[in-house]
Amino acid sequence: EAGVVQSPRYKIIEKKQPVAFWCNPISGHNTLYWYRQNLGQGPELLIRYENEEAVDDSQLPKDRFSAERLKGVDSTLKIQPAELGDSAVYLCASSPAVRLAFFGQGTRLTVV
Amino acid sequence: GEDVEQSLFLSVREGDSSVINCTYTDSSSTYLYWYKQEPGAGLQLLTYIFSNMDMKQDQRLTVLLNKKDKHLSLRIADTQTGDSAIYFCAERTGNMLTFGGGTRLMVKP
Repeated sequence: EAGVVQSPRYKIIEKKQPVAFWCNPISGHNTLYWYRQNLGQGPELLIRYENEEAVDDSQLPKDRFSAERLKGVDSTLKIQPAELGDSAVYLCASSPAVRLAFFGQGTRLTVV
Repeated sequence: GEDVEQSLFLSVREGDSSVINCTYTDSSSTYLYWYKQEPGAGLQLLTYIFSNMDMKQDQRLTVLLNKKDKHLSLRIADTQTGDSAIYFCAERTGNMLTFGGGTRLMVKP
């Protein structure tokens, strides 16, 4: 069974440009998470979906970040415009139920 | 908010045991997890423990949970160079997962 798939793996953009990340969760997993991991730190939650509903987006900087999960499956995370401080690894995870969460490989964003 | 703390760094010799510690603050945590992250990779789930257990063993890994002190540890027996990575503990409350800052384990040959 395929794991959580994220693309692209790496992205380098100039500041003020838009960028989008894509996540395909494990089939059947209702819960989807987007985390941001800054260098040398643990992941921090940006947004959590239960099916297609965003149930926790309190940490998402809504002035520039947006996310969607159409049909409760794939999800995209967008940043517009990107700032230098947005450089980080963006991790997507999915979970079938209460116990386990599985992570994708992440997208490493570098804003120059 | 809820907090999960880990020490930053641990160095051991190959063949020794490693013990990585974690403390958390949320007394309503249901599950606690250990993830491993190798350079440039995502987080790999190693093991987890339900909050009403105090120990779980899985091959070379032993998880100890002291719920009263909100202390979680991961013991890796016979540590190998391939165990060198960053280890994150995480606690779950409802569907919320909160991570510690990670402990970098260095295994010397």
